[in-house]
Amino acid sequence: SQTIHQWPATLVQPVGSPLSLECTVEGTSNPNLYWYRQAAGRGLQLLFYSVGIGQISSEVPQNLSASRPQDRQFILSSKKLLLSDSGFYLCAWSATGLLSGYTFGSGTRLTVV
Amino acid sequence: AQSVTQPDIHITVSEGASLELRCNYSYGATPYLFWYVQSPGQGLQLLLKYFSGDTLVQGIKGFEAEFKRSQSSFNLRKPSVHWSDAAEYFCAVPSDSNYQLIWGAGTKLIIKP
Repeated sequence: SQTIHQWPATLVQPVGSPLSLECTVEGTSNPNLYWYRQAAGRGLQLLFYSVGIGQISSEVPQNLSASRPQDRQFILSSKKLLLSDSGFYLCAWSATGLLSGYTFGSGTRLTVV
Repeated sequence: AQSVTQPDIHITVSEGASLELRCNYSYGATPYLFWYVQSPGQGLQLLLKYFSGDTLVQGIKGFEAEFKRSQSSFNLRKPSVHWSDAAEYFCAVPSDSNYQLIWGAGTKLIIKP
């Protein structure tokens, strides 16, 4: 069966520090991969998605970037965190065509101080 | 373009009472429709999905949803809620490109003892 792993679960980082969040999927190949953010009291904001290795689509211009170095690995990065980067970050995967919807990771709570 | 509206930001119901959460969509063809649930601090979990066929869809945790094309609705129901149902609920449809889901703003369900 397919599983998705996302880490770390919580992270407290100072302003100006770098960020790297990792997400990996097991049990499937060529998944579509997604990074979402939820700010406090807000809905789901799509940050990036990827339909293949090295293919990244950015939905919102911002301080973050994403990379997909391997088929089932998706990384969210920042060179210098801002206070406004605080939030709950969710990774998800789907099969092509979205017939099964998304499967989400358990999320990372990022607090920038 | 596809869109999803969840008109209720919060809903409060008593434990044991029935529940209906509203979802209205805008979609060019017969839609795929999804309901997800998010417990505090957790990722999102798929409750149920509609692709075609029977318009009444059964999901996990005793939830069901009914697709009504004439009303462009896909409302989520449960005959008797439990305190553990307190969570946020999201409705979603695929985008034009079929690479991503378009999300409603979510409805937070509060259970009164």
